[in-house]
Amino acid sequence: GNSVTQMEGPVTLSEEAFLTINCTYTATGYPSLFWYVQYPGEGLQLLLKATKADDKGSNKGFEATYRKETTSFHLEKGSVQVSDSAVYFCALLSSGSARQLTFGSGTQLTVLP
Amino acid sequence: DSGVTQTPKHLITATGQRVTLRCSPRSGDLSVYWYQQSLDQGLQFLIQYYNGEERAKGNILERFSAQQFPDLHSELNLSSLELGDSALYFCASSVALTTGASSGNTIYFGEGSWLTVV
Repeated sequence: GNSVTQMEGPVTLSEEAFLTINCTYTATGYPSLFWYVQYPGEGLQLLLKATKADDKGSNKGFEATYRKETTSFHLEKGSVQVSDSAVYFCALLSSGSARQLTFGSGTQLTVLP
Repeated sequence: DSGVTQTPKHLITATGQRVTLRCSPRSGDLSVYWYQQSLDQGLQFLIQYYNGEERAKGNILERFSAQQFPDLHSELNLSSLELGDSALYFCASSVALTTGASSGNTIYFGEGSWLTVV
């Protein structure tokens, strides 16, 4: 079946530090890949997505590239801010007749001023 | 704002009771999904409906049921509640059931319904 493995958290960084959150996946067919973010006390928000190999999703300074050869979709940001503190979820959307999202376990990011 | 509306936002109830969570999908979205987020299980897919019909089932307990109505809103019914059912329940919606590999249909989430069973 499909699965998503995310780097274990929590991750604590200083403001303006470089962020990488690793995500690898196992899937059949051609899944789409997503990063969702959950700010404290809020729901899930779509951060970025990529629909095919070598696509780069980007939003709010965050980027992730769909790497089929390494089955990865690592999230990066060059300079994090305190407001980026949240839980980040990597997810894949299966192809086929019944599409559903499979989530990773989430990575808690805390950015200190 | 994703456009997916869930009610109630918070709910506290006793063990053995039954509750109904309601979801209105984004305008034009035919597919509705329910997810459960708990501390120990993470985000778990429960069930999917498309245009009123059940299309996929995940880790949904027999005590739980859902339906999607002709106006496309959906309800998740949780009965004989146990302490372990305490969780954040998300509804999500998307336009279509299936799309081609390159189109990347996006699923949008509501803010969730916090259920506490005491």
